[in-house]
Amino acid sequence: DTEVTQTPKHLVMGMTNKKSLKCEQHMGHRAMYWYKQKAKKPPELMFVYSYEKLSINESVPSRFSPECPNSSLLNLHLHALQPEDSALYLCASKPRLTGGSGANVLTFGAGSRLTVL
Amino acid sequence: KQEVTQIPAALSVPEGENLVLNCSFTDSAIYNLQWFRQDPGKGLTSLLLIQSSQREQTSGRLNASLDKSSGRSTLYIAASQPGDSATYLCAVLTQGGSEKLVFGKGTKLTVNP
Repeated sequence: DTEVTQTPKHLVMGMTNKKSLKCEQHMGHRAMYWYKQKAKKPPELMFVYSYEKLSINESVPSRFSPECPNSSLLNLHLHALQPEDSALYLCASKPRLTGGSGANVLTFGAGSRLTVL
Repeated sequence: KQEVTQIPAALSVPEGENLVLNCSFTDSAIYNLQWFRQDPGKGLTSLLLIQSSQREQTSGRLNASLDKSSGRSTLYIAASQPGDSATYLCAVLTQGGSEKLVFGKGTKLTVNP
């Protein structure tokens, strides 16, 4: 299995809803990432997990809450979002954090398209 | 602060043509540079990764080069096909402890039959 699987593919939610995005990989990767991509813009890093621990938070608002319950699974919990949070949310993984070696390819999932009404 | 620039922003070519996409970056202290392809509304597909110690990588009709000292990379696509139509993104992983891939804005390629 060489894929990063994201569900759901599409999500529409109101500003008062609570929803979650899910990301799963079975490649044994121990570094997992959430990126956000607005239309016609490049992806922007949100969070990085290493060995199930939060390693990097790029000053993301608390209405986005990441969770890494095990080495294969990464969630992004959403609550009280704003319409400007509508975007494509991309999950990615690689074997481990860089640590001086640039050999590891970052593998992305197909993304979850979020629309906030 | 690392900045990545891709030129051109858009490119339209007839099928069969060889083409070059350009990427430049401001900080040469990098771990690697990665080229991605993105189809509309989809995720990113990794095409090639070049480590800082490497000069080029090849995969099929694709060849990516890296000149770290001048802060430049090129992606060469041979014998282009309509199925190559997509946005191509260049991303750099900078040394200094951060895991943050810095992306260019991409080149939107259209290959016309």
